[in-house]
Amino acid sequence: GESVGLHLPTLSVQEGDNSIINCAYSNSASDYFIWYKQESGKGPQFIIDIRSNMDKRQGQRVTVLLNKTVKHLSLQIAATQPGDSAVYFCAETENYGQNFVFGPGTRLSVLP
Amino acid sequence: DAGITQSPRYKITETGRQVTLMCHQTWSHSYMFWYRQDLGHGLRLIYYSAAADITDKGEVPDGYVVSRSKTENFPLTLESATRSQTSVYFCASSDPSSGNTIYFGEGSWLTVV
Repeated sequence: GESVGLHLPTLSVQEGDNSIINCAYSNSASDYFIWYKQESGKGPQFIIDIRSNMDKRQGQRVTVLLNKTVKHLSLQIAATQPGDSAVYFCAETENYGQNFVFGPGTRLSVLP
Repeated sequence: DAGITQSPRYKITETGRQVTLMCHQTWSHSYMFWYRQDLGHGLRLIYYSAAADITDKGEVPDGYVVSRSKTENFPLTLESATRSQTSVYFCASSDPSSGNTIYFGEGSWLTVV
């Protein structure tokens, strides 16, 4: 079946450095993607989304890049802070629908 | 703005018992969802509801029952709990008419012993 996965299960970065979290998806028909942040003991929080008619979208300190050719999604966090420590996972859906497929997540650890 | 609230947040129950997890949202979102989250898996959809009195199965519905008599509430019942249902359960909601983002509650940690 279709799936969404992540290249790196864990990522450690120095405070102040940039972080890049990757996500591979296999459903070429997916047209809407979301990145979520999940802190320990909490529910997932929306970070940023992107539609398939775009290849880049920026938010506050975050940028999502979409490469439809290789079915790859990435989340870039600028000037990573201790508060960014969390699990990040991507979600994708087809036909801009409600049936999202979620990846297992990457744990980001920010080192002092 | 309370958003989505789940109760109980933590629950320990015995195998075979019935358990109900409650979910309440204050946004009047049309869609509501129940997911479970387990190590090694992404969030997996149990059931969802597009509107009051409309529910549909997700990826892993066996052993679960839902109802949606009111737009704001979406309880999830484990009719006879099994150890394999030990998990973290997340309720979520969305309103496609104002964007497709799914918003999550804080989770209910369920342990079946």
